[in-house]
Amino acid sequence: QLQLQESGPGLVKPSETLSLTCTVSGDSITSTNYYWGWIRQPPGKGLEWIGNIYYSGRTYNNPSLKSRVTISVDTSKNQFSLKLSSVTAADTAVYYCARLPRYNFDYWGQGTLVTVSS
Amino acid sequence: SYELTQPPSVSVSPGQTASITCSGDKLGDKFACWYQQKAGQSPVLVICQDSRRPSGIPERFSGSNSGNTATLTISGTQAMDEADYYCQAWDSSTRDVVFGGGTKLTVL
Repeated sequence: QLQLQESGPGLVKPSETLSLTCTVSGDSITSTNYYWGWIRQPPGKGLEWIGNIYYSGRTYNNPSLKSRVTISVDTSKNQFSLKLSSVTAADTAVYYCARLPRYNFDYWGQGTLVTVSS
Repeated sequence: SYELTQPPSVSVSPGQTASITCSGDKLGDKFACWYQQKAGQSPVLVICQDSRRPSGIPERFSGSNSGNTATLTISGTQAMDEADYYCQAWDSSTRDVVFGGGTKLTVL
């Protein structure tokens, strides 16, 4: 059974960089059939796509966040990661990682709340 | 940038049919999918590629997509269907993903 698990600090200071890792179990991140993605959801609000990565390292990011987002993959650990720079309170959200078989996200992690506060 | 518009809320009586719409420019030319999110939980895919139901999703969930509108239909709505529903589209040329703003379904 495929599982995705987000991990990382739950509290980040304004202007610093948010860093999260998604560990994939039950499937290989090098599968040619899937992208792997990050989505976030501010408290009480809707879902926002952050970006996707293919096992080769090719990334596709939300244009509204593009300059602040870095997504990378570590195939040796079956993980992919998110870095979001220069965070503000508006970046406070539950961050999800998920698998994307081209058209939609079929498996999601449980999500992790990241709060931006001094 | 591409946008998807959903009504903020929809109400339905138990046993009746609920329809939730998602509008976007030429949405029918893209694949649309739908997620159900209950309070405090991760989203669950209920419809993919316009009208396909993933394994484990009840038959009462169905979808369609044509022109500028995709529709999620829940037949014989049950109390357990009360949740937020999000549509999502994928742009095959840019590989961008777009979510609608979400619709809160209330089963009265």
